[in-house]
Amino acid sequence: QSALTQPASVSGSPGQSITISCTGTSSDVGGYNYVSWYQQHPGKAPKLMIYDVSKRPSGVSNRFSGSKSGNTASLTISGLQAEDEADYYCCSYAGSSTVVFGGGTKLTVL
Amino acid sequence: EVQLVQSGAEVKKPGESLKISCKGSGYSFTSYWIGWVRQMPGKGLEWMGIIYPGDSDTRYSPSFQGQVTISADKSISTAYLQWSSLKASDTAMYYCARHEPDYAFDIWGQGTMVTVSS
Repeated sequence: QSALTQPASVSGSPGQSITISCTGTSSDVGGYNYVSWYQQHPGKAPKLMIYDVSKRPSGVSNRFSGSKSGNTASLTISGLQAEDEADYYCCSYAGSSTVVFGGGTKLTVL
Repeated sequence: EVQLVQSGAEVKKPGESLKISCKGSGYSFTSYWIGWVRQMPGKGLEWMGIIYPGDSDTRYSPSFQGQVTISADKSISTAYLQWSSLKASDTAMYYCARHEPDYAFDIWGQGTMVTVSS
């Protein structure tokens, strides 16, 4: 059960859009529509931003969207804002009631 | 308000035992899985395992099987994570989180920092 692969860092200017990828295998990301994304600010607990690949929990801005193609899921943030600067983690069901996280991506808003 | 409240920070010596807790409130504690997640200093999130408080069904990540024990006491809506013999490498922040049927963690505890040092 290996961690999902995410870029270590991404950056963008306010107002721009960025996309964070999350690559797994057919045994996790590619095999189930149970991909979720979490935002973590320094010193804080993670926060659920996207679940079931593309659904947003109540209260999460519609600037956040998710998608999946094959073994790769993606998180897109449009209209970047300073407050979006944080670490982002993807997570996928991996069968047999187990879950695997990605290594995390640090988003810098320039 | 739905929330998970974790026990406070711990400082332990190698070889000591430890049990940290996670108390749920504002929802039916026995109807949702609770998961534990490790975050070592400056590192990412690692899924450790989950428990269903309704019947104590427990699943572990292969990486943590045999290293920790996850349990729950449904009478007091509390889940636990315990070690029998701590190592310095167990130094980390540990989060509990409520686990939806689609394997998304929708509610998180505030975290418990465990420091193991001689």
